[in-house]
Amino acid sequence: GAVVSQHPSRVICKSGTSVKIECRSLDFQATTMFWYRQFPKQSLMLMATSNEGSKATYEQGVEKDKFLINHASLTLSTLTVTSAHPEDSSFYICSASSGQSYGYTFGSGTRLTVV
Amino acid sequence: AQTVTQSQPEMSVQEAETVTLSCTYDTSESNYYLFWYKQPPSRQMILVIRQEAYKQQNATENRFSVNFQKAAKSFSLKISDSQLGDTAMYFCAFATGNQFYFGTGTSLTVIP
Repeated sequence: GAVVSQHPSRVICKSGTSVKIECRSLDFQATTMFWYRQFPKQSLMLMATSNEGSKATYEQGVEKDKFLINHASLTLSTLTVTSAHPEDSSFYICSASSGQSYGYTFGSGTRLTVV
Repeated sequence: AQTVTQSQPEMSVQEAETVTLSCTYDTSESNYYLFWYKQPPSRQMILVIRQEAYKQQNATENRFSVNFQKAAKSFSLKISDSQLGDTAMYFCAFATGNQFYFGTGTSLTVIP
């Protein structure tokens, strides 16, 4: 089946630094990738949708300059949290779609802690 | 705008019993997909079952089945013979075009 690898699974960074999260589709071409943020015991909040080779579409309220999304190839999308602050600490999940039959596969998530 | 509503924040069921999780949605689209995802403590999102809106037959995956009522915009999940490993958050989701929407989730606990 379709597999999406997300890395790192956990990261701790200092306030003011940047951290990059990678999302890779291992056995299919992901025409669209989605980035979510999830707070404890809450649902997934869509942050942005990215299509390969084009700019990401951000949801209302999500800061484009803080959460940089790049989808440079059909198998890789990255989320960079710039100038991280403690309030950015959260669980980030990506998902990828090949565009066929609405198949959506999720990565295993990244726990970001900003200290 | 599309919305997905899960009205049961928490539920519990005895092991080996059957439980039904509710989900309603609102859309003006005619072509869409509905999903149930399971998120165990590991937080990995696991697809439980998927239903195409154009199919009248309810989807079934082993112990998991859905009751899809298109006119009522209802998509409930039935878990039969509940197992301890079914303890998790369950999210109902709706997809159309390039849009994907999650419900707020139901926390299910299977009691030994």
